Amino acid sequence: GAGVSQSPSNKVTEKGKDVELRCDPISGHTALYWYRQSLGQGLEFLIYFQGNSAPDKSGLPSDRFSAERTGGSVSTLTIQRTQQEDSAVYLCASCLAGGRVSGELFFGEGSRLTVL
Amino acid sequence: QQPVQSPQAVILREGEDAVINCSSSKALYSVHWYRQKHGEAPVFLMILLKGGEQKGHEKISASFNEKKQQSSLYLTASQLSYSGTYFCGTAGAGSYQLTFGKGTKLSVIP
Repeated sequence: GAGVSQSPSNKVTEKGKDVELRCDPISGHTALYWYRQSLGQGLEFLIYFQGNSAPDKSGLPSDRFSAERTGGSVSTLTIQRTQQEDSAVYLCASCLAGGRVSGELFFGEGSRLTVL
Repeated sequence: QQPVQSPQAVILREGEDAVINCSSSKALYSVHWYRQKHGEAPVFLMILLKGGEQKGHEKISASFNEKKQQSSLYLTASQLSYSGTYFCGTAGAGSYQLTFGKGTKLSVIP
């Protein structure tokens, strides 16, 4: 597709379950970002990938959160043992080039996670 | 560290002007501005690199004062389509992380 694609668009899960969120970036974009957006909290940085490497994982809120990227393309954000405070919209963005942030980020529509 | 945006919200009538401010406590390499409409993905408006440049995008422009670590977004002759939440994002030199503020909700009414 022409844009960043995320799936699922909506996910309702029970507390304690694991969830996987997927991001398909724009073809050729080497940089990929995950953000979390909670109501009234803006966009919270989670992790950055340059190719398949994650030089900056500083935003992951706990060890229940992990992410990987394969083939320099698709990325998966995994949340283990979900908690109610994990409920948010998870946004993925890709950028043509990595390194210092000097380019436009293209965002996906997000995956809305609700933990009951 | 998260940049601070002000105001948190503003209501304008069509044709009025607005300024949204963004300030950071750390040395900045770049400042980014995005607009997000309800239920949609954030959309890029412009990026300013250190050097104090000013950029324009239709009737929306921005400035970056690197000495003060501040940026301002100027919206002139606002249109209904300008409604949304505006986010500034900042990045330090050598940083991979683009850190966003909490956003400024702009509502333009007829």
